[in-house]
Amino acid sequence: GENVEQHPSTLSVQEGDSAVIKCTYSDSASNYFPWYKQELGKRPQLIIDIRSNVGEKKDQRIAVTLNKTAKHFSLHITETQPEDSAVYFCAAGGGSQGNLIFGKGTKLSVKP
Amino acid sequence: GAGVSQSPRYKVAKRGQDVALRCDPISGHVSLFWYQQALGQGPEFLTYFQNEAQLDKSGLPSDRFFAERPEGSVSTLKIQRTQQEDSAVYLCASSWGRAGLGTGELFFGEGSRLTVL
Repeated sequence: GENVEQHPSTLSVQEGDSAVIKCTYSDSASNYFPWYKQELGKRPQLIIDIRSNVGEKKDQRIAVTLNKTAKHFSLHITETQPEDSAVYFCAAGGGSQGNLIFGKGTKLSVKP
Repeated sequence: GAGVSQSPRYKVAKRGQDVALRCDPISGHVSLFWYQQALGQGPEFLTYFQNEAQLDKSGLPSDRFFAERPEGSVSTLKIQRTQQEDSAVYLCASSWGRAGLGTGELFFGEGSRLTVL
């Protein structure tokens, strides 16, 4: 089955800096790669996703890149703000099993 | 309702007790997922339904865990003879189609926090 590795587990940046979180996946059949943000005590919420037919997608300050050959994808947040502080999860799915497998998460802290 | 609803939000059980957790997905959503989230960890896949069919239950940790979705809408996750290691937040999510094939977003509920004493 699918296995998703996520790094780093914690990330601390100064307000205004960029943050990058990286994930790798194992199932070459996976074709859907979402990123979720989870604030303390709340439900995970989708912030951006990418499908295997594109290499990059942007939405304002966030972007995701996908390298299918290397089986890795990354989340980029520019001009970070304190409200970006949360746990971010990557996931991979749409492959042979139809489910969605999550990474273990990255706790992002943005210091004012 | 407008979102995925889970109940109870909090459940305290004595070791050995049976518990049932309910999930009301967004109306019309075909796919329903259950995840287990331990403190400080990512959601761990438990099982997945497409309508009433349980297509994947490979993540259920033992035969004490059972999930059903008999009419293709509401789902129940049942844990028999609970043990301390079952303590976690159980998240339910739904999407309008099969994950990864044009469905886009999984919508999560607030979760059911289970504490086993």
